[in-house]
Amino acid sequence: DAKTTQPNSMESNEEEPVHLPCNHSTISGTDYIHWYRQLPSQGPEYVIHGLTSNVNNRMASLAIAEDRKSSTLILHRATLRDAAVYYCILNAGNMLTFGGGTRLMVKP
Amino acid sequence: NAGVTQTPKFQVLKTGQSMTLQCAQDMNHEYMSWYRQDPGMGLRLIHYSVGAGITDQGEVPNGYNVSRSTTEDFPLRLLSAAPSQTSVYFCASSYGDTTYNEQFFGPGTRLTVL
Repeated sequence: DAKTTQPNSMESNEEEPVHLPCNHSTISGTDYIHWYRQLPSQGPEYVIHGLTSNVNNRMASLAIAEDRKSSTLILHRATLRDAAVYYCILNAGNMLTFGGGTRLMVKP
Repeated sequence: NAGVTQTPKFQVLKTGQSMTLQCAQDMNHEYMSWYRQDPGMGLRLIHYSVGAGITDQGEVPNGYNVSRSTTEDFPLRLLSAAPSQTSVYFCASSYGDTTYNEQFFGPGTRLTVL
């Protein structure tokens, strides 16, 4: 299975933008890039996904490199509620394979 | 909609006991799956189903059985509990028969095996 590499943890100040990187150098042409996050003591929740083009939704933006070997999840204004573990996942359509994710800490 | 519901929320078992973790969804989703999450780790897929009567193994299926007799329900059976199965178990569902669509996760069942 294609794998992703993310930093173990990142810190951000409240109301500042956050850029969460993800490397996926072995991505195949049909893999979608999905992001989920897991708030403390909860199940994961969907954030965003994309294939080749950059994507925006109400929660975040996803910037995908032209060669698709890396991507960045962008939270435009971090809030305390955004403190969570963020998972970057390559999705081939039949199952999600979670890695360790990035623990985002947001300072007031 | 209640979304994805899981029961029980907490369970303590003794080694060798069997039990069933329940998962139900009221969104008419075809795809359902079970994950386990060990402390400080990401989720690992146990079994999944793309529709009633169809199940398949995930990354860590040993020691677990599933069946899918209805669209709504996807129970996970532990055949003979072992301490290594101490974990938090999450059920998820999504529209369609693939994982490309948004997965909705339940609140989890925290299982301890003594």
